Amino acid sequence: SQQGEEDPQALSIQEGENATMNCSYKTSINNLQWYRQNSGRGLVHLILIRSNEREKHSGRLRVTLDTSKKSSSLLITASRAADTASYFCVPTGRRALTFGSGTRLQVQP
Amino acid sequence: EAQVTQNPRYLITVTGKKLTVTCSQNMNHEYMSWYRQDPGLGLRQIYYSMNVEVTDKGDVPEGYKVSRKEKRNFPLILESPSPNQTSLYFCASSPGQGAYGYTFGSGTRLTVV
Repeated sequence: SQQGEEDPQALSIQEGENATMNCSYKTSINNLQWYRQNSGRGLVHLILIRSNEREKHSGRLRVTLDTSKKSSSLLITASRAADTASYFCVPTGRRALTFGSGTRLQVQP
Repeated sequence: EAQVTQNPRYLITVTGKKLTVTCSQNMNHEYMSWYRQDPGLGLRQIYYSMNVEVTDKGDVPEGYKVSRKEKRNFPLILESPSPNQTSLYFCASSPGQGAYGYTFGSGTRLTVV
């Protein structure tokens, strides 16, 4: 399976703190994507990191990728209440995107 | 605005009554896909389409049909809905499978009674 496994399953932090979510996967990949889903809403693509990249930034997001360890991390800096959502990592190859259970992030105001 | 539009957002129907959930994208994407999301089971792919007139089964295709007659539209058809198809459905599109980010619709919450 190309599915990613996010860790932790749930994370609660205070507004202004940083949030770190980890992802592990089992197969070789072309790239890895992170998505956010607010409760009951559609998923939003956050960032895509290619297999030959080690780190990528987008605004308050920082993603790392270690293909030797088959792992990735998503760091959200200076979190806001609006960041409350589920976050999914999606390792991708030639097959369709497969989603895991995600990390549920709760940012307390 | 680049988007994937699903309709309806909410639908309550009775067992056996055929229904169609529409999906349209305005980004000229070749790849489109349908997912269902259920508590504890996550998102599972139902069907996907690599291009016009090219469709294939995902992980949970039973009880569903799709068609891709035009590039922009990818309707999901439930010929005879059953209560186990009560779910939250998402349509997504992408320039290609796997190599690009997907754009998701806002979802259709279907209840079959």
